[in-house]
Amino acid sequence: GDSVTQMEGPVTLSEEAFLTINCTYTATGYPSLFWYVQYPGEGLQLLLKATKADDKGSNKGFEATYRKETTSFHLEKGSVQVSDSAVYFCALSGGRGAQKLVFGQGTRLTINP
Amino acid sequence: GAVVSQHPSWVICKSGTSVKIECRSLDFQATTMFWYRQFPKQSLMLMATSNEGSKATYEQGVEKDKFLINHASLTLSTLTVTSAHPEDSSFYICSASNGGANTGELFFGEGSRLTVL
Repeated sequence: GDSVTQMEGPVTLSEEAFLTINCTYTATGYPSLFWYVQYPGEGLQLLLKATKADDKGSNKGFEATYRKETTSFHLEKGSVQVSDSAVYFCALSGGRGAQKLVFGQGTRLTINP
Repeated sequence: GAVVSQHPSWVICKSGTSVKIECRSLDFQATTMFWYRQFPKQSLMLMATSNEGSKATYEQGVEKDKFLINHASLTLSTLTVTSAHPEDSSFYICSASNGGANTGELFFGEGSRLTVL
């Protein structure tokens, strides 16, 4: 079945550092790919998405490119802030239920000032 | 953006009792809601798809008689954990779609932590 594997955390960085959180997937067909973020005490929020190969999703300085050849959707940000501290989930949807999401295990990110 | 609220946010119960968790879409109508379960340091696992006015669709391995789902209105879905046992202790999360089947964006509740003693 479909699956998502993402970088194990926790990840701790200093403010203004470069961030990469790796995400690879296994899926039949052509899934859509997502990054969700969960801030402390809040529900998951959609951060960005890409629906086809070579698409780049971007939001709040974060970017991820849908790479079909490497089945990857790595999350990057050039300069992180303390407010980016959260848990990040990579996810895919596909098959007959486009809204049924398969999640990675989540990566906890802590940014120190 | 749209808001989805879960209640209670945490609950402790004795083994053998039943617990109901509510998921409400506060400012939009949701024909479809999803229930997930998250174990510590693990991914969210989809339990079931809840459709307003019809029976829920359960994922393989999820006991439908154990986890009762009711979606009686366009703004409310409930998950009842029947005869709860310690192994049911987990974080339960719902999401709701603001579109029709297979469309729209998903919005997530803040989660409900269940501890069964």
